[in-house]
Amino acid sequence: GQNIDQPTEMTATEGAIVQINCTYQTSGFNGLFWYQQHAGEAPTFLSYNVLDGLEEKGRFSSFLSRSKGYSYLLLKELQMKDSASYLCAVMDSNYQLIWGAGTKLIIKP
Amino acid sequence: IAGITQAPTSQILAAGRRMTLRCTQDMRHNAMYWYRQDLGLGLRLIHYSNTAGTTGKGEVPDGYSVSRANTDDFPLTLASAVPSQTSVYFCASSDTGGSTDTQYFGPGTRLTVL
Repeated sequence: GQNIDQPTEMTATEGAIVQINCTYQTSGFNGLFWYQQHAGEAPTFLSYNVLDGLEEKGRFSSFLSRSKGYSYLLLKELQMKDSASYLCAVMDSNYQLIWGAGTKLIIKP
Repeated sequence: IAGITQAPTSQILAAGRRMTLRCTQDMRHNAMYWYRQDLGLGLRLIHYSNTAGTTGKGEVPDGYSVSRANTDDFPLTLASAVPSQTSVYFCASSDTGGSTDTQYFGPGTRLTVL
């Protein structure tokens, strides 16, 4: 079966750095997406990786290792507004997104 | 501002009733999707459409039907609602449905079936 694993919840301090991990087992791989979802709102796109390596976009970076079935999202200089759930999703061989359950990130002052 | 709208925002429905959730996008995207989101689970694909006139089944299609008469609209119908269909429903769209496509989500419909 297809599976996306990520931690249920993480806590970090304002101004710090946090890394959210995602491991996956899917039938085929056509890219990995990270989305941010604030409570009660829709998911919004953060990043996309299809090749191994690090993609940097401002305070957010995303890393992919296809051989290990592993990705992480790195958030730097955390702000209170970063408190949200972060969703990892893999596009499988049928071009459908398989979603993890999300990691709830709590930022403390 | 371009985007996706969904209606209603929320609904309480008696079991056995028929319900249609509406979704409209104005980005001229070819592909559209319906997901449900339940606590502790990832988003699960119900149905999708890669272009107007075509639809396909996702991971959890039972009890749901869709139609795609034109590019902009993608309604989801529950023919006879059951309590297990209580969930938050998100409609999404993407340009082509291809591998590099970003999916854009509507604000969601919170449905409670009693």
